[in-house]
This record gives sequence, structure tokens and C-alpha cells, in this order.
Amino acid sequence: GESVGLHLPTLSVQEGDNSIINCAYSNSASDYFIWYKQESGKGPQFIIDIRSNMDKRQGQRVTVLLNKTVKHLSLQIAATQPGDSAVYFCAENARVLGFKTIFGAGTRLFVKA
Amino acid sequence: DTAVSQTPKYLVTQMGNDKSIKCEQNLGHDTMYWYKQDSKKFLKIMFSYNNKELIINETVPNRFSPKSPDKAHLNLHINSLELGDSAVYFCASSQGESPLHFGNGTRLTVT
Repeated sequence: GESVGLHLPTLSVQEGDNSIINCAYSNSASDYFIWYKQESGKGPQFIIDIRSNMDKRQGQRVTVLLNKTVKHLSLQIAATQPGDSAVYFCAENARVLGFKTIFGAGTRLFVKA
Repeated sequence: DTAVSQTPKYLVTQMGNDKSIKCEQNLGHDTMYWYKQDSKKFLKIMFSYNNKELIINETVPNRFSPKSPDKAHLNLHINSLELGDSAVYFCASSQGESPLHFGNGTRLTVT
């Protein structure tokens, strides 16, 4: 069936360290992948995306890596800050899915000061 | 100004009641969505409208009825509310294959 990601795990990191959040996707036909950040009491916000013709994309302090061979996606956050504390979701989208965005279960990131 | 706004933010009601949640986007997007987020934070798509036409209708009880009067608005009406309907409901919009823009959610509590 359709499934992206793992059951909600928690990642705790020290302020200033790098964070890596992992995600597995199941649909081989997915060709567009997105990371979202959800802070308490708010809706998910776009962070970074990547298309299937790339394996790495960098933004400001964030990098997304895509490994299509093992259907794995990761989000790296450099120099993690307290403001990065949130739930992070990976999501996949595909033309064959009717452009339906399917979300993973999310990872809660705690940043210790 | 908020790009995707939904009202109310909180909704507490009793079982059996009928309620509506409204959503408006000022981004000029052609597609709008309703997602449901459960207590474990899992986000599941319910409906999607493109230019006022229903294009995605997941396995949702027919007590849930979306309505899109124009492409900037997508409302969700829920009949005969049940305890299991308690969740946070998010409206979102997008243009083509662009990322989703979400509202801040409506927390529905059915007692």
C-alpha cells in the first residue's frame, strides 16, 4: 500500500551539532520529494524539495539526499538551532498518483541548548 | 497576511452535531486540499479540488462533504460527528506540482 516514512521517532541533538533525519518511501514511481517542518500549533511548512533526477540538493543550512536505489531520503540540518525544534515530515508525489502528496509519519526533533 | 487561512482554529462539539470548517487562500493557486492529522501526527489526504472540481476523494465517510464555491475557497462540512472525527484538519493549496502551502489547522474535538 501507500506508505512513506517511519512511525514517529524522536531525535535529540545538542545545539550547534548537525542533525540527520531519515525517511523511507515505498512508491518507486514517485518522482518528487519534499521535506516539511511543523511547529507546534501550526501547519507544515515547506523546507526543501528534490526531483528524482537529482541525488542531492542544498539550501540554507539544509541538504536533502535522495537514494532511489534503496528508496531513501534524508534531511541534514547544519548547526542545529533551538528554532529547528519541530516535527519534520518527508513527503512524496508522483504523476501516477495523480499528483497526490503522501506524507510520512514524521520525526520529532528536539534541540538541547 | 496569512496565505492560507482556515476558521475556526478550535471547534468543540458534541457527537451527532453538524459542523463546517472554512478555508480561503489568497495565493492564486488552482488546487486546494483537506488533510486530517491524527493524535500521532500522521497526515492523511482527504480531498483535493482543482479549479472547483473534485480530483481526489480518499476513502472518507460520506458524512464529510467538501464544497468549493470558487478556486480560492474550499470548505468542509461534517455531518453527524463521531468521537473518531476528533483530529486537526488542515487546508492546503498548491499550483501545479509546487509544494503545498498549509493553513494553521482547525482542532476539532468531539465529546
